[in-house]
Amino acid sequence: AQSVTQPDIHITVSEGASLELRCNYSYGATPYLFWYVQSPGQGLQLLLKYFSGDTLVQGIKGFEAEFKRSQSSFNLRKPSVHWSDAAEYFCAVVPSGGYNKLIFGAGTRLAVHP
Amino acid sequence: DAGVIQSPRHEVTEMGQEVTLRCKPISGHDYLFWYRQTMMRGLELLIYFNNNVPIDDSGMPEDRFSAKMPNASFSTLKIQPSEPRDSAVYFCASSLSSTYEQYFGPGTRLTVT
Repeated sequence: AQSVTQPDIHITVSEGASLELRCNYSYGATPYLFWYVQSPGQGLQLLLKYFSGDTLVQGIKGFEAEFKRSQSSFNLRKPSVHWSDAAEYFCAVVPSGGYNKLIFGAGTRLAVHP
Repeated sequence: DAGVIQSPRHEVTEMGQEVTLRCKPISGHDYLFWYRQTMMRGLELLIYFNNNVPIDDSGMPEDRFSAKMPNASFSTLKIQPSEPRDSAVYFCASSLSSTYEQYFGPGTRLTVT
């Protein structure tokens, strides 16, 4: 079955530290890949997306993600975390030929220590 | 653009009552999605429309739930009768078929007592 896995339910980092959130997917072809962020009490906001081309994509708020076909991964990174980055992060995919439906991972909740 | 608009933002109702949630997608978007989010079950896709036509409603929990999209700028999600287990945040999202990016509304927090 097609799925998206975010192995880490909770992550805590110190402000200023680097961050990497993991995402793995299981599909035959290369899907379209997304990262969304949800701040408390808010809807989901698109951080970045990968469709094709350069496997390192830049997003808003200083985030980047790298697509690795061999590992079926699309990990999200940020070199220096700010307290305002505390939120829940969702990885999502649109399977090739899957209309515009998104398959979401379960999410990773990020806490930032001052 | 104003983004996806949902109303009401908060709804508190008693068990057995009818609840109607409303959504206005971004102008020009041809896909509309309804999601439900709870702590226990996470984010669930309930139903989605393409050009006002329901494409997949397999996520609708039961017959008490129904959704309509009478035109390109309006959709409703109705629960009748409501039950306490329907308490959740309901999100509407829209997208353009050529870009796949979904834009989410702020959500409606539903509490059924």
